[in-house]
Amino acid sequence: AQTVTQSQPEMSVQEAETVTLSCTYDTSESDYYLFWYKQPPSRQMILVIRQEAYKQQNATENRFSVNFQKAAKSFSLKISDSQLGDAAMYFCAFSRSNDYKLSFGAGTTVTVRA
Amino acid sequence: DAMVIQNPRYQVTQFGKPVTLSCSQTLNHNVMYWYQQKSSQAPKLLFHYYDKDFNNEADTPDNFQSRRPNTSFCFLDIRSPGLGDAAMYLCATSRTGVDANEKLFFGSGTQLSVL
Repeated sequence: AQTVTQSQPEMSVQEAETVTLSCTYDTSESDYYLFWYKQPPSRQMILVIRQEAYKQQNATENRFSVNFQKAAKSFSLKISDSQLGDAAMYFCAFSRSNDYKLSFGAGTTVTVRA
Repeated sequence: DAMVIQNPRYQVTQFGKPVTLSCSQTLNHNVMYWYQQKSSQAPKLLFHYYDKDFNNEADTPDNFQSRRPNTSFCFLDIRSPGLGDAAMYLCATSRTGVDANEKLFFGSGTQLSVL
C-alpha cells in the first residue's frame, strides 16, 4: 500500500514571498505519478502540478515548482511570489502507473498574509 | 462552465434515513469516482466506475452503494447513514485512468450532515 505524508498541517506566507510545502511518500513501485492539488474554500479540487517518476527534471507551472527527490521519496511544492488567491488547502497525491486510484496526504492549509 | 456537477451542495439527512447524492459530467469521460473527505482529512476513494464496470475499494463500508445509469450520471447511495458518515463527498472524472496525460476533474462536492 502507498502512503503519502504531509507533515505540515498549516503554513503561513507573506504576499509576494515564497513558501515550500513538504510531502513524502512510501512505495515499492518504480513507475508512478505524483500530484499537488489545491482545494480553495470553494472546495473544488484543482490540479496544480504533476510529476512523472521516470522524469528527473522537476516540473514547473508558472509560480509553482516541485523538488522531486526519488531516492528520498520526497516531493515538495514551492509557491513563488505568493498571491492572496493561493490561500487554500494543498494536497499531495500519489498514483501508480496505469491505476485509477489517487492516494492523498492529509493536506496543508496555506494562509497568505496581505 | 461547470464540467463535473454535484447536487446538492449541502445535504442534511437523519440517522438511518437513506440518502442519494448525485454527480453529472459534461466531459464524456469513461471513469467516474466517489471520494469521501472528512473534516481536515485526506480524501479517500470509495469506488469508481470504468464505463459500466464497478470497482469497490476493499475498505468501503457495505452501507455505501453506487449506480451509473449512463455515461453522464453517477449516484452515491448511503443506505443507513450513521453519524460517522457525515463528510464531504467528492465526485471526479477522468478520460481513462490516472497517468501522465490524464488528470482528474473534480466537482465542488456535497457536504453531508447526519442528524
